[in-house]
Amino acid sequence: QVQLVESGGGVVQPGRSLRLSCAASGFTFSNYGMNWVRQAPGKGLEWVAVIWSDGSNKYYADSVKGRFTISRDNSNNTLYLQMNSLRAEDTAVFYCARDGHGGNSWYLDLWGRGTLVTVSS
Amino acid sequence: QSALTQPASVSGSPGQSITISCTGTRSDVGGYHYVSWYQQHPGKAPKLLIYYVSDRPSGVSNRFSGSKSGNTASLTISGLQAEDEADYYCSSYSTISTLLFGGGTKLTVL
Repeated sequence: QVQLVESGGGVVQPGRSLRLSCAASGFTFSNYGMNWVRQAPGKGLEWVAVIWSDGSNKYYADSVKGRFTISRDNSNNTLYLQMNSLRAEDTAVFYCARDGHGGNSWYLDLWGRGTLVTVSS
Repeated sequence: QSALTQPASVSGSPGQSITISCTGTRSDVGGYHYVSWYQQHPGKAPKLLIYYVSDRPSGVSNRFSGSKSGNTASLTISGLQAEDEADYYCSSYSTISTLLFGGGTKLTVL
């Protein structure tokens, strides 16, 4: 069925790196832009990054710019988020979410269940 | 990149209608039709309710409707039901190709 499944979360020390993955199935992954959205414990949603369907454009929230990198492998239907220089305030559930179109529809019509990242010493 | 402004909480009785506001600026809500709304039940992933200000995805009840006036967007839920109790978030495209979310509104069905 149509779904997104995130993986790669866990406990990591401040300053270290982590890479999240999101496996897509049930739809033509290469036709859609993809996003990462996070939610700190007990807090609201925060958009993190978007990548166009063909990977040609990538945009980031100011809070992660220069530290996080979004990428995709259309041949393997997988989205990635490389997170470097992690901080305590990056602790959150990270959701993978599909853009309604190629990447510039700016609404998110399919979400994964999320993966928890905890940054702590 | 400031978050959009939503009321922290709203409440209503079954069968009533409620409206949740989402206030931004001319650089986001007021400047584009890229406003969307999401529903999130505790421990679950968000679900798209409204996109492009007032469009509903297939499968979403017509009890949910969206509108916009100036820098403020609104989500109206009519005929409140117990299962509508959840958190609701607005979002909008913002200048320089970023997406902003509101702080979220907790809906309580009395």
